[in-house]
Formats: sequence, structure tokens, C-alpha cells
Amino acid sequence: DAEITQSPRHKITETGRQVTLACHQTWNHNNMFWYRQDLGHGLRLIHYSYGVQDTNKGEVSDGYSVSRSNTEDLPLTLESAASSQTSVYFCASSERGVNTEAFFGQGTRLTVV
Amino acid sequence: AQSVAQPEDQVNVAEGNPLTVKCTYSVSGNPYLFWYVQYPNRGLQFLLKYITGDNLVKGSYGFEAEFNKSQTSFHLKKPSALVSDSALYFCAVRDMEYGNKLVFGAGTILRVKS
Repeated sequence: DAEITQSPRHKITETGRQVTLACHQTWNHNNMFWYRQDLGHGLRLIHYSYGVQDTNKGEVSDGYSVSRSNTEDLPLTLESAASSQTSVYFCASSERGVNTEAFFGQGTRLTVV
Repeated sequence: AQSVAQPEDQVNVAEGNPLTVKCTYSVSGNPYLFWYVQYPNRGLQFLLKYITGDNLVKGSYGFEAEFNKSQTSFHLKKPSALVSDSALYFCAVRDMEYGNKLVFGAGTILRVKS
């Protein structure tokens, strides 16, 4: 069965370190997204991609970057981790089109100490 | 920009009773609306969507949602709640002006008591 997987599931890192969260999907979807989930804010979009070599900033992109070298993967990098980036991060993918639902990974809980 | 609002942080209902989780939206143009559910320590699971057509949309696990254009609402409903329905529910709208991303509400915790 097709799926979307995130790794690691839990990560503790120190302030200032670079961290990369992995996202891999086997749906062959063109669209991929990174969200963060924080209490009281729901899910907020960090970055998204419509295909290989395409990346776009979301509403909370400062301090984050992504790259899309193939269809399956969209890694999220925190350039210099800050305590404000402690959160739960979700990757999602969808087919093209406005009427398509997104499929979510299990999430990565990141703690920056 | 498109947005959704979930006016209730938490909804409590007794098992066997009908449940409603409220969502209102603000969009320019046609709305594309979605409901997701999140169980503890899990990702979001898709429940149902409204694209066009019938105002009553049926989805997974016995859930349905009623689209009301005049009230700009898309409430999630279930005729008979189960304890296992207890979870966090998110309403979302497709933002046609901003890369077709999904814009989520803050979420509503549903607690079903036996």
C-alpha cells in the first residue's frame, strides 16, 4: 500500500544546530507540504512543492528550507534550530487539483533545548 | 485570504447521542472544504470533502457534513456518537489564492463519554 513516512518520530536537538526531518511518500504525488502543529494555532504551512525542483514558502517559512530532488522526498531543514521551533511537524502529499485531499505522515515531535 | 473558523475548542457528547462539530468558512469563489481527524500521537486522517453537488456529504466512519452556502458553514455530524470518536477534528479549506494549500482551523476536541 502507498504511504507517507516521516523520520525520525522524535528528535531532541540543541539550539543552533542544523536539523533535517525526512519525508518520503510512495503515492507518486506531485504536491508535498510541510506543516507545524502548535496548540491554539492548528496547522500552519511552512513550505510546499508542486514537483521536482519546485519549492515555495508558506506562512511560517523563516528559519526553514526544503529541497525537492525527486518525486518521493521533501526533507525539511532547520538551518539553526531555535526554541520557538519546538513543535510537531507533519508532512503531507496530494495529487494535483483543487478537489484532492492530502495524506499526512505520522508526524515528528521536535524539541529544541 | 481563505480561512476557516472552528468556534468551539471542545465538544462533549454522551455515547449514542448525535454530535455536531462546527466550522464556518470565508472564501472568495467556490469553497473546497475538508474535514480531518487526528487521534493522539497520530497524523491527520481524511474524513470527507465538499467540492460541489449535494449539500450533505458522507464520509468515513459514519460521519457526514452539511454544507450551507448562505451561512458559510460546513458542520461535521454523526447521528450516534461512539467513545472511539473522541479525537481532535480539523476543518480545512483549499486556498485558491495561495498555491492551493489547505488552510486549517484551530481544531475542536471531541470527547464522547460512555
